[in-house]
Amino acid sequence: GNSVTQMEGPVTLSEEAFLTINCTYTATGYPSLFWYVQYPGEGLQLLLKATKADDKGSNKGFEATYRKETTSFHLEKGSVQVSDSAVYFCALSTNGQNFVFGPGTRLSVLP
Amino acid sequence: GAVVSQHPSRVICKSGTSVKIECRSLDFQATTMFWYRQFPKQSLMLMATSNEGSKATYEQGVEKDKFLINHASLTLSTLTVTSAHPEDSSFYICSARVDSNSYNEQFFGPGTRLTVL
Repeated sequence: GNSVTQMEGPVTLSEEAFLTINCTYTATGYPSLFWYVQYPGEGLQLLLKATKADDKGSNKGFEATYRKETTSFHLEKGSVQVSDSAVYFCALSTNGQNFVFGPGTRLSVLP
Repeated sequence: GAVVSQHPSRVICKSGTSVKIECRSLDFQATTMFWYRQFPKQSLMLMATSNEGSKATYEQGVEKDKFLINHASLTLSTLTVTSAHPEDSSFYICSARVDSNSYNEQFFGPGTRLTVL
């Protein structure tokens, strides 16, 4: 079956540090890939997405590239801010119905 | 972008009572909505797929008589937790799929935090 693996957290960084959260997946067919962010006490917000190999999703300084050869979709940001503290979920969908989420990675950014 | 709302955002109830949670797509029609459950510090787990005009499809291990789902219209799905118990306390999140969207995307509601005393 389809699955998503994320690096275990929590991740603690100082403000302006470089962020990488690793995500790899297993899927049949050609999934779309997503990163969602969940701020404390809130629901999920779509951060970025990519629908085919070599696509790069980007938003709010975050980027992730769909790498089919390594089945990865790592999330990166060059300079994190305190306001980026949240839980980040990598997810895939193969048909718009079956979303599979990773376990989530909690990020804490210290001033 | 498409907006999905949930009501209530928080609910506290006594053990044995039933609680209804509404999920609405505000600016689009959704023939398919999804209900997820999230335990503290864990990921989302799909509970069921709600289809407008037909019975919901439940994931393995989810009690259909416990979690009643009704998708009465193209913009509204409800989840009723019947005879709630403390172990049902959780964060419930719905999502709706945009039917005309070709990018396999779902839009998520803000979630409902249920606390059963």
